[in-house]
Amino acid sequence: EDKVVQSPLSLVVHEGDTVTLNCSYEVTNFRSLLWYKQEKKAPTFLFMLTSSGIEKKSGRLSSILDKKELFSILNITATQTGDSAVYLCAVEWGGGSNYKLTFGKGTLLTVNP
Amino acid sequence: EAQVTQNPRYLITVTGKKLTVTCSQNMNHEYMSWYRQDPGLGLRQIYYSMNVEVTDKGDVPEGYKVSRKEKRNFPLILESPSPNQTSLYFCASSRYRGDQPQHFGDGTRLSIL
Repeated sequence: EDKVVQSPLSLVVHEGDTVTLNCSYEVTNFRSLLWYKQEKKAPTFLFMLTSSGIEKKSGRLSSILDKKELFSILNITATQTGDSAVYLCAVEWGGGSNYKLTFGKGTLLTVNP
Repeated sequence: EAQVTQNPRYLITVTGKKLTVTCSQNMNHEYMSWYRQDPGLGLRQIYYSMNVEVTDKGDVPEGYKVSRKEKRNFPLILESPSPNQTSLYFCASSRYRGDQPQHFGDGTRLSIL
């Protein structure tokens, strides 16, 4: 059973569109949720979220966490072709020494000119 | 420059021929980790190390070994590779377990024939 579920799995939009990517989770002893962007190479870190309702923002990207409903969204406004990538959500969870980082399968975003 | 270096970047080999993928970081990080990434499955943790001589299994450790004799190095060993270990592998490090973001290497693409 998947503990971290991302949706949609893929998405095709036109430049200038706004997109919302979703990440839901079901874990015990939640610690944090992370978003990464992966192009051809290694994932690059976008955001780390630990508290509900506090929006993290970086340029056209923003993200928020809802710990009651167990999900996070990543918004990208005014998309550009350079935003085309796989976006990964990961959740840190577990107590004491039983500590894990579980990734979702990712959302493939394609932005067409 | 702070970095995580993996070698080789690409390798094609045959079933049963032992191989080692090296990982080295120059940031004096305590925590290091190996992941594999497969289409449709996201990143899955193979092994991690919290410090020298301290290693533990991740979610998919079968068929792999690791060692942490020095702080900077964390090699991944495939004693008898099989075709189901064909994958993209990433090494990552951070100051300590739970510290974010992790720094990822550029990846090693392994093909086992």
